[in-house]
Amino acid sequence: GENVEQHPSTLSVQEGDSAVIKCTYSDSASNYFPWYKQELGKRPQLIIDIRSNVGEKKDQRIAVTLNKTAKHFSLHITETQPEDSAVYFCAANKADRGSTLGRLYFGRGTQLTVWP
Amino acid sequence: NAGVTQTPKFRVLKTGQSMTLLCAQDMNHEYMYWYRQDPGMGLRLIHYSVGEGTTAKGEVPDGYNVSRLKKQNFLLGLESAAPSQTSVYFCASSPLTQTANTEAFFGQGTRLTVV
Repeated sequence: GENVEQHPSTLSVQEGDSAVIKCTYSDSASNYFPWYKQELGKRPQLIIDIRSNVGEKKDQRIAVTLNKTAKHFSLHITETQPEDSAVYFCAANKADRGSTLGRLYFGRGTQLTVWP
Repeated sequence: NAGVTQTPKFRVLKTGQSMTLLCAQDMNHEYMYWYRQDPGMGLRLIHYSVGEGTTAKGEVPDGYNVSRLKKQNFLLGLESAAPSQTSVYFCASSPLTQTANTEAFFGQGTRLTVV
């Protein structure tokens, strides 16, 4: 299987500061790494993802980096805003076509709080 | 544009009662999943399905059963509910594509309390 560990479990930052959440994975065959944001009482929703053939991806204020050798990936949020407050989940997936393991292994989540 | 819909949204059960949670998706996705979410534990996979008529166990399958008789529906059953099954349950679906994009789309969740 796959084991995904996520740190920290809680993170508090001041509005405008940056936030970094880190994840490690165990299976070198994993090749797709999405990040989900879950606002209070809502469903998780994809915010950004990265594949194993890419080292970094950015989308406005959020970016994800991947280090395949070390088997870790990180979410970076710059210029944080109160509306960024949510639980963030990382995940890893061995997305080989035809595999029964077309499923996601989630980290335990990081509660991010952005103080105004 | 319904996406993934779960029924019901809330339920309170007495210990020993049974119930079925229904998940329906209208995106023609091959994969469907049931997760439970508990504080500090993240999302844990209960069962999943890679297509109509097929199911498989996830990380925490004990006490649950599933069925996928139609591609668009994935049912989660609790035969004899226990307080340890108090949780928020999420259904999700994802496509099987050439590019192996396995983004999962989640339902709105079902909050189940077993007393």
